[in-house]
Amino acid sequence: DGGITQSPKYLFRKEGQNVTLSCEQNLNHDAMYWYRQDPGQGLRLIYYSQIVNDFQKGDIAEGYSVSREKKESFPLTVTSAQKNPTAFYLCASSIGEDSNEQFFGPGTRLTVL
Amino acid sequence: AQSVTQPDIHITVSEGASLELRCNYSYGATPYLFWYVQSPGQGLQLLLKYFSGDTLVQGIKGFEAEFKRSQSSFNLRKPSVHWSDAAEYFCAVGASGGSYIPTFGRGTSLIVHP
Repeated sequence: DGGITQSPKYLFRKEGQNVTLSCEQNLNHDAMYWYRQDPGQGLRLIYYSQIVNDFQKGDIAEGYSVSREKKESFPLTVTSAQKNPTAFYLCASSIGEDSNEQFFGPGTRLTVL
Repeated sequence: AQSVTQPDIHITVSEGASLELRCNYSYGATPYLFWYVQSPGQGLQLLLKYFSGDTLVQGIKGFEAEFKRSQSSFNLRKPSVHWSDAAEYFCAVGASGGSYIPTFGRGTSLIVHP
């Protein structure tokens, strides 16, 4: 079955440590996205990538970094520069072009202690 | 740029009652419109979408939505709510042409009483 996987489901880290969240898709989608979700704030776009080896900052990119070395993978690193990293992180993908319809992974809940 | 508003943060209904969740959008041309549902601790699942054509759209789980251009609305409806429908619902609007990153509303939390 095609879909998006995110790992791990829950992640705990000490303050000051970098942490990388995994996102893999086998939908053959060109575009991939990372969102952050906090209670009552909906989804906020962190980074997105429309094609391999290219990515763009979203609305809240500060303190985050990404890479897109393969079409299937779009890992997100939460760096120590992110002031309030505890949140629920969602990865999504889409065909790209003129579609807009996104497919979401199950999410990773990051807690920084 | 497009925008979307979900005016209700929380909606409480009794099981078996009808449901309508409101969504208003702002976009100069014909938008792409979506409703997603999110169960606690899960990702978002697409309920239905509108691109063009018939303004009444049928989705999964018995949901439907109606696109009303004159009111810039895309309200989600269900005739009889089940306890399993309790979740967070997000409306999203996308632009036709150019950037294909949709804009999401802040969500409406649906509470279902037995």
